[in-house]
Amino acid sequence: EAGVTQFPSHSVIEKGQTVTLRCDPISGHDNLYWYRRVMGKEIKFLLHFVKESKQDESGMPNNRFLAERTGGTYSTLKVQPAELEDSGVYFCASSKGAVDEKLFFGSGTQLSVL
Amino acid sequence: GENVEQHPSTLSVQEGDSAVIKCTYSDSASNYFPWYKQELGKRPQLIIDIRSNVGEKKDQRIAVTLNKTAKHFSLHITETQPEDSAVYFCAARTGTASKLTFGTGTRLQVTL
Repeated sequence: EAGVTQFPSHSVIEKGQTVTLRCDPISGHDNLYWYRRVMGKEIKFLLHFVKESKQDESGMPNNRFLAERTGGTYSTLKVQPAELEDSGVYFCASSKGAVDEKLFFGSGTQLSVL
Repeated sequence: GENVEQHPSTLSVQEGDSAVIKCTYSDSASNYFPWYKQELGKRPQLIIDIRSNVGEKKDQRIAVTLNKTAKHFSLHITETQPEDSAVYFCAARTGTASKLTFGTGTRLQVTL
C-alpha cells in the first residue's frame, strides 16, 4: 500500500512568489490534514478536509494560504504571495476516519522563502 | 485550546541506557496520546499510542505511561540502540476533535 506522498520535497522561492504544494493521501482515506513545522517548534495544525469539504481550517495563518481538495482525492496548498515567515516543513497526513483513527504522515515539503 | 509541552528538547544517552521523554497537556478532555518518531529526512511515524482509559502500554522496548490526574504522559525507551536516534514528538487529541496538538519535539541521540 502506497503511503502519503507529497510533492515537491523541497522548494526554494523568493518573497512575493507563489508556491503550490501537493499531497496524495492513502487511497480510501477520507480525512486529510495539513500541518506545518517551523524550525525547532511544534508541528502545528493548519486544516482538515473530510473528502472535499473543509472540516476545520482554524489553523490557517492568514488569507495568503489556500487549500483545496477537489473531488476528495489529492489536495493542494497554495501560498500567495509567500513571506519569509512561511518557511518551514509542510506535512500532509491522512486517516481513514477522523476520531479514533491513526494518522499517517507524508515526508513533508521543505519550503524556504528567501 | 489544547497546549502540549515536551521536555527535554535534546537528550543524549549511551547505547543500552534508557531514555525518558515527558509531555504535559492542558485540556482535561484530551483522550488520545500518540508518539511519533521522525528519523532524519523521513516522515513522522507513529510508534505507540495510548488512550485515556489506559494507564500504561508497552511494545517491546518502548512504553508509554499516562497520568490523567497530573495531565502528563511519558515515553520510555529501554536498551537504546543507535537506530533509536531521531526526533520524537508527543501529541494529544481532545474529545471528538480530530486534529492533533503536538509538542515541540525531543532530539534523541544514542551514542556508542
